Amino acid sequence: AQSVTQLDSQVPVFEEAPVELRCNYSSSVSVYLFWYVQYPNQGLQLLLKYLSGSTLVKGINGFEAEFNKSQTSFHLRKPSVHISDTAEYFCAVTVMFRGSNYKLTFGKGTLLTVNP
Amino acid sequence: DTGVSQDPRHKITKRGQNVTFRCDPISEHNRLYWYRQTLGQGPEFLTYFQNEAQLEKSRLLSDRFSAERPKGSFSTLEIQRTEQGDSAMYLCASSLVYTGLAAYEQYFGPGTRLTVT
Repeated sequence: AQSVTQLDSQVPVFEEAPVELRCNYSSSVSVYLFWYVQYPNQGLQLLLKYLSGSTLVKGINGFEAEFNKSQTSFHLRKPSVHISDTAEYFCAVTVMFRGSNYKLTFGKGTLLTVNP
Repeated sequence: DTGVSQDPRHKITKRGQNVTFRCDPISEHNRLYWYRQTLGQGPEFLTYFQNEAQLEKSRLLSDRFSAERPKGSFSTLEIQRTEQGDSAMYLCASSLVYTGLAAYEQYFGPGTRLTVT
């Protein structure tokens, strides 16, 4: 079975500073990787995904993530954050094989708080 | 708007009562998932449907829980004899998966927040 570890439960940063949210995964088979964002009292919105190809993936709102197979990591980064980026961020994996149910396994989340 | 919708958005019920939630997926999507999210945790998989067939249920889904997707469109999740431990956000997601190509992206609804008193 696969698992996801988000190493930081809370990350406070100042506006316009860079940020990195860390994610490590464990799986015995190949995976697809995702980052979702959740604003208060809302559902989850997909930020970006890694399926194959270039290990650096770019998403919405200026976010990007890098897949590192040797370190089993998929860290999320943004070079300059805004107040509006304050939200909970979830890393998720699903396994890739023929007939997969593609259910998502999520980490516990990282609360990003951007302060003025 | 053609996104995933869920109803109700909030439900407060007394312990022992039954509750039912509804999810309307994106119209052309053939897969529908239910997840549960408790405070401070990420969503956890409960069950999923391919069209009208329920193909997998998590061990989290006790006998008090039942889900249906009668015509392969909307889905309902019923909880019988609710317990305080059922208090959570229930999220629905949909995706399009077909032979030879899978759309790995799941689109989530806004969720139904259940409070059992």
